[in-house]
Amino acid sequence: DVKVTQSSRYLVKRTGEKVFLECVQDMDHENMFWYRQDPGLGLRLIYFSYDVKMKEKGDIPEGYSVSREKKERFSLILESASTNQTSMYLCASSSSGGDVGYEQYFGPGTRLTVT
Amino acid sequence: GEDVEQSLFLSVREGDSSVINCTYTDSSSTYLYWYKQEPGAGLQLLTYIFSNMDMKQDQRLTVLLNKKDKHLSLRIADTQTGDSAIYFCAAANRDDKIIFGKGTRLHILP
Repeated sequence: DVKVTQSSRYLVKRTGEKVFLECVQDMDHENMFWYRQDPGLGLRLIYFSYDVKMKEKGDIPEGYSVSREKKERFSLILESASTNQTSMYLCASSSSGGDVGYEQYFGPGTRLTVT
Repeated sequence: GEDVEQSLFLSVREGDSSVINCTYTDSSSTYLYWYKQEPGAGLQLLTYIFSNMDMKQDQRLTVLLNKKDKHLSLRIADTQTGDSAIYFCAAANRDDKIIFGKGTRLHILP
């Protein structure tokens, strides 16, 4: 069973704080993704990584950075948290190709509130 | 780029069939997916269809694909309260990127 875990389910931070969201997958997947989910906007891709130390900007990278030092771990960093970054953050991983193409496996999400 | 559209809300009476519709723009999409998100949880793959198929059935779920119209639907037979969730349509494009729709919230009436 593929497992994607995220470090926290709920997080409350103050404006201006540096925030780290951690994601770990145990299936040796090459690809990892960070999304944010907001009501009425669905899932929006922030960053993704297709290999260790590689990263690509998604649709809304501003205000975020990422780190992938090990294959199983992908971190999302909010350098200086702002209230408009209050959201649900979802991590996902996938292998390349296979029977279902690029099926993404999702973590449970981290609900971040910035006050 | 690829765009995936679906309605935001659907209300269905328990025991009836639910049909959730989705349209996509990239005709070269290879795989099309339906994900389910239950309250407070991440997304979980429900079913998928490869682009050379036009129908797939899996127990209460039926996926229909009309490639010509770029239209995908998910039918849930005998809808139960446990089916209450947000359903995301997604398409894999030629760059191996999965594009998600905004999600359809399925509400079950007693």
